[in-house]
Amino acid sequence: EVQLVDSGGGLVQPGGSLRVSCVASGFTFSPYGMNWVRQAPGKGLEWVSYISGSSTNVIQYADSVKGRFSISRDNAKNSLYLQMNSLTAEDTAVYYCAREVGGTTLENWGQGTPVTVAS
Amino acid sequence: QSALTQPASVSGSPGQSITISCTGTSSDVGGYNYVSWYQQHPGKAPKLMIHHVSDRASGISNRFSGSKSGNTASLTISGLQAEDEAVYYCNSYTSSSALRWVFGGGTKLTVL
Repeated sequence: EVQLVDSGGGLVQPGGSLRVSCVASGFTFSPYGMNWVRQAPGKGLEWVSYISGSSTNVIQYADSVKGRFSISRDNAKNSLYLQMNSLTAEDTAVYYCAREVGGTTLENWGQGTPVTVAS
Repeated sequence: QSALTQPASVSGSPGQSITISCTGTSSDVGGYNYVSWYQQHPGKAPKLMIHHVSDRASGISNRFSGSKSGNTASLTISGLQAEDEAVYYCNSYTSSSALRWVFGGGTKLTVL
């Protein structure tokens, strides 16, 4: 069974940094592209970032986080990361990792990890 | 403002059918058959219901169906049940240089 477990969220001050993680199991992690999607309180879903599988080397960011967030993966640890710097209140959200299948579908999602940016 | 446009809410009685629309552009919904629909219950992660416009995800009831015409995709739920009450999001791949995936703003389904 495919499982994605998000962790690392918490309370951080404006201007601070935080790294969230996603550990995958139940499938061979390295070939799959992975995404981060966030959801602000009471709001809809917003795509944040993408990193390709091991056969290519593609990284993409939404304009709202470009230059502040960095996505990475460690295939040996079946893990996906999102390093978030220069955080603002607008980054407050639940952050979900999502497995992309065939480049066409966000098929599996983690349970989400909440990030709150406040003083 | 979300890239894809959905109605904020729809409602129906048990046993009835409802349809939720999702309007985009030729750069997303109209340009690719990579439209998905997700169901989200409060406090839970989104759950894939429909992919590739009309293919049901594994284990999803045939009461759920999807379609597309031009730049508008639709999700139809027939034989409404109480457990269908949730928020539904559409999603599409996009050729926009600024994004990879776009979502609708979500539609709250109320089963009366």
